[in-house]
Amino acid sequence: KAGVTQTPRYLIKTRGQQVTLSCSPISGHRSVSWYQQTPGQGLQFLFEYFSETQRNKGNFPGRFSGRQFSNSRSEMNVSTLELGDSALYLCASSLRKGELNTEAFFGQGTRLTVV
Amino acid sequence: EDQVTQSPEALRLQEGESSSLNCSYTVSGLRGLFWYRQDPGKGPEFLFTLYSAGEEKEKERLKATLTKKESFLHITAPKPEDSATYLCAVHRNYGQNFVFGPGTRLSVLP
Repeated sequence: KAGVTQTPRYLIKTRGQQVTLSCSPISGHRSVSWYQQTPGQGLQFLFEYFSETQRNKGNFPGRFSGRQFSNSRSEMNVSTLELGDSALYLCASSLRKGELNTEAFFGQGTRLTVV
Repeated sequence: EDQVTQSPEALRLQEGESSSLNCSYTVSGLRGLFWYRQDPGKGPEFLFTLYSAGEEKEKERLKATLTKKESFLHITAPKPEDSATYLCAVHRNYGQNFVFGPGTRLSVLP
């Protein structure tokens, strides 16, 4: 059974640019969540998508956005990149039963470096 | 305010030296507590889910327990390959579904 796949694994971007990251969840999982991980802040929740709709959102500025497609694949976009956006971006997929999620399975992450 | 804390921040053990990691939480509407292991530069790897106080789960040298206010991850006779950061997360029944603790960085020396 294939796991969660994130692409690309590594990215280097310049301040002011925008970036799009992709996540393919485990087959059958319809909930996809995105997290930002930095040494100082740990794992911070960005947003969750289920059935192509954003269900929950963390405390990040509007420069961070996402979407989910009908096949449950998800993308997140960061516009007007800042140096502080350098981080490991993690995608997690899980089954959703009503309003509850089962355990989340993570991808390997995308390491974004903003220079 | 909902909060998840973990202690200690870092732990060094000799191979075979058993110990415990702590995860304390103040969350209303807890639906589950999860333990993950994370190796450097990789995504967290799921270990356990605990749903109710008194519940225990075991896997190889790891055993997780849950009370109403905290969870423990017991490591028995650890090996160097157990070195990693261990994260706990709580699942709430509203808002942001998963809230992660800061993690405990475990080093097991041969």
